[in-house]
Amino acid sequence: DTEVTQTPKHLVMGMTNKKSLKCEQHMGHRAMYWYKQKAKKPPELMFVYSYEKLSINESVPSRFSPECPNSSLLNLHLHALQPEDSALYLCASSQGVKRVLNEQYFGPGTRLTVT
Amino acid sequence: GQNIDQPTEMTATEGAIVQINCTYQTSGFNGLFWYQQHAGEAPTFLSYNVLDGLEEKGRFSSFLSRSKGYSYLLLKELQMKDSASYLCAVSLRPFGGYQKVTFGIGTKLQVIP
Repeated sequence: DTEVTQTPKHLVMGMTNKKSLKCEQHMGHRAMYWYKQKAKKPPELMFVYSYEKLSINESVPSRFSPECPNSSLLNLHLHALQPEDSALYLCASSQGVKRVLNEQYFGPGTRLTVT
Repeated sequence: GQNIDQPTEMTATEGAIVQINCTYQTSGFNGLFWYQQHAGEAPTFLSYNVLDGLEEKGRFSSFLSRSKGYSYLLLKELQMKDSASYLCAVSLRPFGGYQKVTFGIGTKLQVIP
């Protein structure tokens, strides 16, 4: 099973709302990632969790707050977003072992629209 | 910083062979991935290269030259379903089991009959 699931698939929220994106994998991967992808652009790394600890924060604004409750789940809490935050938010996971390369498996993404 | 270059668009004919090039400049290079992304969908992993040379997986092959900072993805016997964006992605040296991956802009391939 190489599946990463994400919910919801689509989300429309106002600038004063609080919402959460959820990601789940059952491949035993210990590294999980959040990416943001705008139209016709490549995915941009936001956060990396390794063994449930935040390892990389790519200078993401604090209105995005990640959380890793356990090794299978990754959340992204959203608060006071701006219209320019509208994008496809992708979750990915990879084996958390010190191998030379670990390919990442992506979920289908959540398409977020901020109004 | 890192710089990854690949052509933005290519067109090829069904049944033909197409080569998508990628050049990169980065420090701490660990390896290179190729991903396929259909419009509106998530990227899917195609291949990776760590050492110089050619890796073959069915209709897809990927080549790497670390000294030249160059890679290509070769697609043979093109099918209409191969119309997608192909993303070259560079992996930096792993830290504690995870990797920092930077994606190129992607090459949008259109396969025509």
